[in-house]
Order: sequence, then C-alpha cells, then structure tokens
Amino acid sequence: QKEVEQNSGPLSVPEGAIASLNCTYSDRGSQSFFWYRQYSGKSPELIMFIYSNGDKEDGRFTAQLNKASQYVSLLIRDSQPSDSATYLCAVRGSARQLTFGSGTQLTVLP
Amino acid sequence: KAGVTQTPRYLIKTRGQQVTLSCSPISGHRSVSWYQQTPGQGLQFLFEYFSETQRNKGNFPGRFSGRQFSNSRSEMNVSTLELGDSALYLCASSLEDAGGYTFGSGTRLTVV
Repeated sequence: QKEVEQNSGPLSVPEGAIASLNCTYSDRGSQSFFWYRQYSGKSPELIMFIYSNGDKEDGRFTAQLNKASQYVSLLIRDSQPSDSATYLCAVRGSARQLTFGSGTQLTVLP
Repeated sequence: KAGVTQTPRYLIKTRGQQVTLSCSPISGHRSVSWYQQTPGQGLQFLFEYFSETQRNKGNFPGRFSGRQFSNSRSEMNVSTLELGDSALYLCASSLEDAGGYTFGSGTRLTVV
C-alpha cells in the first residue's frame, strides 16, 4: 500500500461545476495535510493546508480532513479552465517528511 | 520576498559523471528538502535538511547525497550518473515544520 494515494484520474468537469479530489494516507501519526497544484512544466504550488478534522475554506477551494478515516479531499467550486492542472496531495507523517501522492490530473472543459 | 532559487535550470550530463545542484531557500527558512520528479514515479523524497543536519532521507542509493550550509543554502550531489537519474530535481523550503513547502523552479537533469 502506498503511503499517500489519490484518485488515478484523469478527471474532467465542465466549467462552473464542482471538482472533487480525494486522497487517503496510511500513517495514522500524520499531522498536517497539503494540496498542491502543478501546471504542466511548472513546479508544485501550495494552494491549501489543513491540520484539524473538518472543513477549511479559502475562496473557491475547500479542504476536508477526516483523520479517523485517514482521508483528505479538495473541492473546487465554480471550476474554471485555468484550474486545469495536476493536483497533488501531500502528507507530513510522523517522521515529519512530506510525502506526496501521485497526483490527479484535472481538466475543466469550457 | 525572493522565492526558492535553484541553479542551474537545465543540465545535460554523461553516464558516469557526477553533478551538483544548488538551492537557495526563502530568507528565514531553515528547512530544505529535495525531491526527484519523474513521469512514472511522481515526486519522490530524497532528503531533508534543517540547520545543517540531515533530518530525513528517502529511499535512494548512496550516490545521492546532500548538505546544507550555515546560511541554509543547500546542495545535492549525484555521483556515477545513470540514465535513470534523468528527472526534474526540486528543492523546497519551509519555515521549520509550519505550513507547507515552497518549491523552486527545479533543475531538469538529462543523463545521456
């Protein structure tokens, strides 16, 4: 089992829809969780982080964390073509290093 | 505020050679981590340095090494290059364990 697993994708949604990206992790001692966006040919860019169970909203983005289920998700409301990118889930585990999932490629169709 | 600076941006090396990549973190960030990114394996953790000490190491052979200087700048070295070392090498810095990492633009290494 991989330490951090994401939907394999690719995921396509129409413009204006909600995109839902999911991630599970294996290390129960994990304390902090991050979502990165990576455009083709660019380096990852941090868009959200969450430490506590529940929801955290930032503009059109909502991160959700359920530590009991070892599950993190990212919702993108009112998706725009500019949101088309690969989304990487990252988890800081008990060893404190940041481990990344393999990413989900999102395409928002105009 | 300057971001994370990686040099060089591109490198072409021959099998068997060695290479040194450089990373300057965001001012005030003391933690520097290195990742290898390839299409097949995604982002793989190489190592993390904090205040000149290696805090964590990923599952890479001993040909991969790194260090951090007193000004938090970091270098990674790959010796005896193999074709499979061709990848994007990303450096990221963070303010200790707070928040997430900020990545540099990466060094694209091609081994021929």
